Amino acid sequence: GEDVEQSLFLSVREGDSSVINCTYTDSSSTYLYWYKQEPGAGLQLLTYIFSNMDMKQDQRLTVLLNKKDKHLSLRIADTQTGDSAIYFCAESFSGGYNKLIFGAGTRLAVHP
Amino acid sequence: EAGVVQSPRYKIIEKKQPVAFWCNPISGHNTLYWYLQNLGQGPELLIRYENEEAVDDSQLPKDRFSAERLKGVDSTLKIQPAELGDSAVYLCASSLEAGGPGEQFFGPGTRLTVL
Repeated sequence: GEDVEQSLFLSVREGDSSVINCTYTDSSSTYLYWYKQEPGAGLQLLTYIFSNMDMKQDQRLTVLLNKKDKHLSLRIADTQTGDSAIYFCAESFSGGYNKLIFGAGTRLAVHP
Repeated sequence: EAGVVQSPRYKIIEKKQPVAFWCNPISGHNTLYWYLQNLGQGPELLIRYENEEAVDDSQLPKDRFSAERLKGVDSTLKIQPAELGDSAVYLCASSLEAGGPGEQFFGPGTRLTVL
């Protein structure tokens, strides 16, 4: 079945790196995504990775995918207070369109 | 460019009352999604439209929920009658294409409280 799991909370010091982890169960996932949700706002796509890749870097963001272990991570370098938000991991499947299955989200708190 | 617009932002009703949510997607986006987000959870898809056709409504509780997307643009999601367990945030999203990585753009959501 489809299931995406994330740790619920992460606290980091400003300037440090943050690593948010996610595991998924369905090996037929086509794309894996990271979304960010700030208070009172909708979800914003940060980045995605195709399932046949193992790494993608985009400025301060690095996504690592271990397909064998069904493990996805998001690393945020030089974490800032503006990065405080909830981060959702999501997977999608082939079959015509990208139906997204979301995890419960990881709340990232950045402190001085 | 305007993002996905939803209204109202907040709604408080008593149980057994009807309620409706409205969504205006990004101009030109043919695919529209309604999601339910319970507190502390990720969004769950309720229904997806391709233009005016509902192509995936398998997760929509059809005994009390209904949706429409007239003319393939704006959409309305209705609950009648509402139950206490319907308290949640209802998110609308749109995308330019259904396949591929197809970025979904989310609106701010409507927070529903059922008393």
